[in-house]
Amino acid sequence: GAVVSQHPSWVICKSGTSVKIECRSLDFQATTMFWYRQFPKQSLMLMATSNEGSKATYEQGVEKDKFLINHASLTLSTLTVTSAHPEDSSFYICSARDQRLANYGYTFGSGTRLTVV
Amino acid sequence: AQKVTQAQTEISVVEKEDVTLDCVYETRDTTYYLFWYKQPPSGELVFLIRRNSFDEQNEISGRYSWNFQKSTSSFNFTITASQVVDSAVYFCALSERGRGSTLGRLYFGRGTQLTVWP
Repeated sequence: GAVVSQHPSWVICKSGTSVKIECRSLDFQATTMFWYRQFPKQSLMLMATSNEGSKATYEQGVEKDKFLINHASLTLSTLTVTSAHPEDSSFYICSARDQRLANYGYTFGSGTRLTVV
Repeated sequence: AQKVTQAQTEISVVEKEDVTLDCVYETRDTTYYLFWYKQPPSGELVFLIRRNSFDEQNEISGRYSWNFQKSTSSFNFTITASQVVDSAVYFCALSERGRGSTLGRLYFGRGTQLTVWP
């Protein structure tokens, strides 16, 4: 079945540094990638939607200069948290939309747990 | 307004009990899709089911069953004879039709933490 590989699974970084999270679709072309953030005991909140080859569309309240999304190819999308601060500590998860999958439609990465110290 | 409401924040049951997780949704689209996902402590989302708005047939998969009622905009999920391994957060989600015939973005409910005690 469709697989989205997300790396790293967890990362600890110092305040002020940048962190890049990668999501790769391994056996299908992900024309659209969704990026979510999930704080402890909360739901998944959509941060942005990225389409291959175009600029990402950010949800209200999400700083596009802080959360840089690149979707340069049909199999790779990246989220870079720039100048990370402790309040950015969260669980980040990507999801690719795959129109081939009649029963699923979305394939999720395994998530990245970011801790900023 | 919230598109997906999961009123139950936490549910605790003892093994072998049946448990129903409620989900109420809101949409103006006539074509939409409903999902249930399981999120164990490890964090990954496990797909359980997708339902199309034009298919109101209830579905059973092993100990899992889903009751889709358009009249009440509900898509409830029942686990029969619950097991400890069922302990997780369960999310109900809605997707409306995007551009063309594509799926739009997912709207998630707040999730229900299910704890099954031995």
